[in-house]
Amino acid sequence: QQPVQSPQAVILREGEDAVINCSSSKALYSVHWYRQKHGEAPVFLMILLKGGEQKGHEKISASFNEKKQQSSLYLTASQLSYSGTYFCGTSNLISSGSARQLTFGSGTQLTVLP
Amino acid sequence: DAGVIQSPRHEVTEMGQEVTLRCKPISGHDYLFWYRQTMMRGLELLIYFNNNVPIDDSGMPEDRFSAKMPNASFSTLKIQPSEPRDSAVYFCASSWTGESGYTFGSGTRLTVV
Repeated sequence: QQPVQSPQAVILREGEDAVINCSSSKALYSVHWYRQKHGEAPVFLMILLKGGEQKGHEKISASFNEKKQQSSLYLTASQLSYSGTYFCGTSNLISSGSARQLTFGSGTQLTVLP
Repeated sequence: DAGVIQSPRHEVTEMGQEVTLRCKPISGHDYLFWYRQTMMRGLELLIYFNNNVPIDDSGMPEDRFSAKMPNASFSTLKIQPSEPRDSAVYFCASSWTGESGYTFGSGTRLTVV
């Protein structure tokens, strides 16, 4: 089942912050975050594993709340280069071990204006 | 490494024709995934392989679609016969065993007229 992302779109000015949320109705094993620019392939940003953690770089980070089956991506002091569509991809535990395949959300379109 | 290589980048074909999409994963990656992206349905997993073996093909829409991975460095996705509703961008991605991100190829934009 596809994870739900919110918001669908967000417009920012350079230097502003944004939060993108991803929630699932199923128990999650891992959450991936990707950014896709128009006409290009998705690019991997980070992965979070069950256990509830936060990771990332100084300005782009993410958290994973295993109990709530949610992840959030935080973009701080946004830059023009942050514009694009952000996807979360989730994997679930299956009886035979960790599931490798990701189910992607519908994406959040982020536009950063000068 | 050159990354995941897909060919062709663009394909325009007539309805009813056979279409073959190709993918070369990153050397050493043991997982290979085929995804399809459309505005309406987003990124959909079609099939994935582990060590050249198909693991889950439940996303393949119909018998018209087939995928093979004859060796660790090559995979194909074939559509026969093609239909206009197959028009989409088809991505191939690969990854390591364990918890690592996917590396996507540049994609093949397929248009069936």
